[in-house]
Amino acid sequence: QVQLWESGPGLVKPSQNLTLTCSLAGGSFGSRRYYWTWIRQHPGKDLEWIGIIYNSGDTYYNPSLRSRVTISVDTTKNEFSLRLRPVTGADTAVYFCARVFIHDVWASIPVVDYWGQGTPVIVSS
Amino acid sequence: DIQMTQSPSSLSASVGDRVTITCRASQSISGFLNWYQQKPGKAPQLLIYGTSTLQSGVPSSFSGSGSGADFTLTISSLQPEDFATYYCLQTYSTPWTFGQGTRVGVK
Repeated sequence: QVQLWESGPGLVKPSQNLTLTCSLAGGSFGSRRYYWTWIRQHPGKDLEWIGIIYNSGDTYYNPSLRSRVTISVDTTKNEFSLRLRPVTGADTAVYFCARVFIHDVWASIPVVDYWGQGTPVIVSS
Repeated sequence: DIQMTQSPSSLSASVGDRVTITCRASQSISGFLNWYQQKPGKAPQLLIYGTSTLQSGVPSSFSGSGSGADFTLTISSLQPEDFATYYCLQTYSTPWTFGQGTRVGVK
């Protein structure tokens, strides 16, 4: 059974850097079958897609965050990470890591299937 | 960015009711549409992907349909555990975008 879980600092001051880590059980971030993504949920409950790392190592980020975000994978630790810098109050949210598989039917449809439980991040001085 | 508009934003229903939630994209997304259920304090859980494919373990009371830019999630007979918030997600083009959610509450 695939399990993902996020870890992070919880509270970050404005203008500081945020690093979140996602760990995986029941699988490997080196698998060529899946991609890995970060999603956040703002206090008003809106969900925002942050970005994705493909099994090639290529990344794609939401243009709204592109200048501040980095997603990377460390296959030796079986972790993948999100770095966001610098943070503002608008980055206060619950952050989820998740797995993406490709549903191959008449097209290759990306599907976010397994999610971590989420880690809250509060940006406040 | 593709805008996803869900309706209604909330509804009240009773156990046994048929519930329909719609999701409209700002352009055609060719069936690249997934539905999620979220309960308070939990991560969203995948219900349906690729418009109409039921995720393993999801009750058959859930179904999805649609094409082009208009999609529907139907719960044929609402059960007590189905009271939750539902979101659609398009993965047709990046950035992927979610609907704003539909809260299904108790009448």
